[in-house]
Amino acid sequence: SQKIEQNSEALNIQEGKTATLTCNYTNYSPAYLQWYRQDPGRGPVFLLLIRENEKEKRKERLKVTFDTTLKQSLFHITASQPADSATYLCALVPGSQGNLIFGKGTKLSVKP
Amino acid sequence: DAGVIQSPRHEVTEMGQEVTLRCKPISGHDYLFWYRQTMMRGLELLIYFNNNVPIDDSGMPEDRFSAKMPNASFSTLKIQPSEPRDSAVYFCASSSPIYEQYFGPGTRLTVT
Repeated sequence: SQKIEQNSEALNIQEGKTATLTCNYTNYSPAYLQWYRQDPGRGPVFLLLIRENEKEKRKERLKVTFDTTLKQSLFHITASQPADSATYLCALVPGSQGNLIFGKGTKLSVKP
Repeated sequence: DAGVIQSPRHEVTEMGQEVTLRCKPISGHDYLFWYRQTMMRGLELLIYFNNNVPIDDSGMPEDRFSAKMPNASFSTLKIQPSEPRDSAVYFCASSSPIYEQYFGPGTRLTVT
């Protein structure tokens, strides 16, 4: 069956460290993979998109990698801050379809 | 732009009643999506439209759910009759192009 999994439900780290979140998928051949941030009581907010032919993409303190062989994406936040505390969702676009399939998210807590 | 607008923000209703959720997408966006989010199942796509035409409604749980998009600036999601298991947060999102989606604040539905 097709699955998209974010391995950790919760991740607690110290301010200033690098947070690394994992997204694994099975039985998909996604053309794109995206990461969103969701704060309590709010809708998800788009952060980054990476295409299947891209290995890595960066935006300020954020970095996303995409390994189609391992069927895995890693999401890194460097020099983490308490304001980075939120739930992070990965989502993929299966093949040529337009719909997004979301993982259940990882709740990141950055302690001062 | 005001972003995606959803109403109401909260809805409490009794089992068997009709519920109508409303969405105004971002002007100029030609894709509109309806999602449902629960703790158990995460964020699930219910239906999406392109240029006001429903493209994929395979996520609509059953015939009690229906969605319409009469014009480019308005969409509704209707549940009739509602059941307690429909309790969730319902999000509307819009995009153009399709992949970077902008989510509304959501409607928290409670069916008692």
